[in-house]
Parts: sequence; C-alpha cells; structure tokens
Amino acid sequence: QVHLQESGPGLVKPSETLSLTCTVSGGSVTTDYWSWFRQPPGKGLEWIGNLYKNGSTTNSPSLKGRVIISLDKSKNQFSLRLSSVTAADTAVYYCARREWEPPLYNWFDPWGQGTLVTVSS
Amino acid sequence: DIQMTQSPSSLSAFVGDRVTITCRASQNIRSHVNWYQQKPGEAPKVLIYAATSLQSGVPSRFRGSESGTEFTLTITSLQPDDVATYYCQQSYNSAWTFGHGTRVEV
Repeated sequence: QVHLQESGPGLVKPSETLSLTCTVSGGSVTTDYWSWFRQPPGKGLEWIGNLYKNGSTTNSPSLKGRVIISLDKSKNQFSLRLSSVTAADTAVYYCARREWEPPLYNWFDPWGQGTLVTVSS
Repeated sequence: DIQMTQSPSSLSAFVGDRVTITCRASQNIRSHVNWYQQKPGEAPKVLIYAATSLQSGVPSRFRGSESGTEFTLTITSLQPDDVATYYCQQSYNSAWTFGHGTRVEV
C-alpha cells in the first residue's frame, strides 16, 4: 500500500523559497504520476503542479513560474520549490498520487497527511 | 481553466436524511469528475471517481450521478461520521480544479 509523507520547514520568510519533500513508501516514484496541492487555512483546494514518471512537469499558471517540481529516484522522493513567497502562500501543502483507469479517468489517492507552511517574518 | 461551481456552500441535516451536493462544470467534461471528503485536520479522501464509480472501501450510501455538465453527490442516509467538507474536482484536463466545497453538518 502506497503511503506519502510531506516534510519540510513549517516557517518561511517572505521573499524566500519554500521547499518541501514528499517521501513515497510502498511504491516507486518512477512508475506513477504525482501532484502537489495546497489549501490555505479555512479555504479550498488548489492544484500546484504535476510530476510525470519520466520527470517532466506541468505547473499551475496562477503561480506565475514560481514552481519547480523535481524527482529524486535514489531516495524515492519528489520535491516542491516555490520561490518568492508571500503571506498568500501560507497553506497546508499536500502531495498525492494519481490513480487512473481507461479511458484515462484520473483521480488522486492516496494523499499525504499534509504539512502547514506559514510565511511570516 | 475549467470552473466547477459547487452548491450549496454548507448544509445541515439530520441523521438518516438524504443529502445532495451539486457541481456544475463550465464546459463539457464528460464524466471526468471526482468527489472527495475532507474531515477537519485530515487530507482529502476520494469517494467517487469518473462521476459515478465508488472508490473501494467507501460506504455504498455515497452515490455519484451526472446530467450533462451537472454532477451530483448524494448521501442516501446521512450518518454522524459524514460530518466533513465535500469537494468536486474536474479531471478532464490536467490543470485540476476543484469546487469551493460544501460543509455538511449533522
């Protein structure tokens, strides 16, 4: 059974870079498709970006090129870097695995437990 | 972006009631809708995928249906454990978008 765990600093200063890691157990990062989401306190879910098993990525245009998602096969992890953060980036950040079935219905399961990142000086 | 308009934003019902939550997509997305349940302090959990398919392990009181661009999650007999916020999500294109959520109280 695949399990995901986010990790990283819980506090980041404005204008700095938020860095998080998602560690995958019970499966391989090279055989599946992964995504990052976030949820500001008391608000809804927002997609951040996708990481395909070949290492290519797609990101939300709303984050204006501030996102880098990368794969570390040796550690069975993938990472999120969000640059130039502001208070608006304060949120619980989740990683998740895409499930799918023909003809390419997609859904996300499982999700990590989430990690709260606060942007504050 | 594909917009998902979800309603109501919140509801309160009694144990045993039938509860309906609706999402309307801004364009034709066929059956590419998923429903998630999120309990306070927890990650989202998928209930329904591909508009009508029940995820393994999810109680059968949760049902998904569709009519054109309108998608519905029905809880046929509300239980105390169903207190949560429910989100629809379009999976038609990979710029995944969610409805704003429906908070369900019992």
